[in-house]
Amino acid sequence: EDKVVQSPLSLVVHEGDTVTLNCSYEVTNFRSLLWYKQEKKAPTFLFMLTSSGIEKKSGRLSSILDKKELSSILNITATQTGDSAIYLCAVRRTSGSRLTFGEGTQLTVNP
Amino acid sequence: DTGVSQNPRHKITKRGQNVTFRCDPISEHNRLYWYRQTLGQGPEFLTYFQNEAQLEKSRLLSDRFSAERPKGSFSTLEIQRTEQGDSAMYLCASSLGYREGQPQHFGDGTRLSIL
Repeated sequence: EDKVVQSPLSLVVHEGDTVTLNCSYEVTNFRSLLWYKQEKKAPTFLFMLTSSGIEKKSGRLSSILDKKELSSILNITATQTGDSAIYLCAVRRTSGSRLTFGEGTQLTVNP
Repeated sequence: DTGVSQNPRHKITKRGQNVTFRCDPISEHNRLYWYRQTLGQGPEFLTYFQNEAQLEKSRLLSDRFSAERPKGSFSTLEIQRTEQGDSAMYLCASSLGYREGQPQHFGDGTRLSIL
């Protein structure tokens, strides 16, 4: 059975800090790893990483996939209070379309 | 830009009642997914459709659960004889399946509370 483990489960920082969120996975026939941000409602898509795209960046957010270590990190620089959310990591196999999610990391950014 | 739409947003019902949720995907998306999320956990996969065909179901989808996508557009998820353990957020997502590797986009979910 596929497994995704995120750490830390909870993190409290001050505005302006840089944070690194971790995701490790065990999956048969890995296809892709996705990061989502969830505030009070729908998870919103951030990044998708695959064998052909192991590093993504958008503004203050960036993510790297380490296929050898079966892990990924999500970095947020110069954090803002609007970054406060649950960050979810998910993996997908080559066969089928289901995503297997981790428990998420609850990030709180205090002013 | 119309995203994934789910109705109702909240549903409160007594144990033993049947409930039905609706999901309208992004219009050009041919794949539709249902997930369930409980407090403090990530979403758990329930089932997915490509057009009107239900291609995969999780073991979580007991015989009290049924999902349909009759015309390949909107989908319904029905839970019969609800139990306390069914209380959760039910999330729908859609993606463009003709282009592999497209991410799933989620709706705001239906929060189900069983009294």
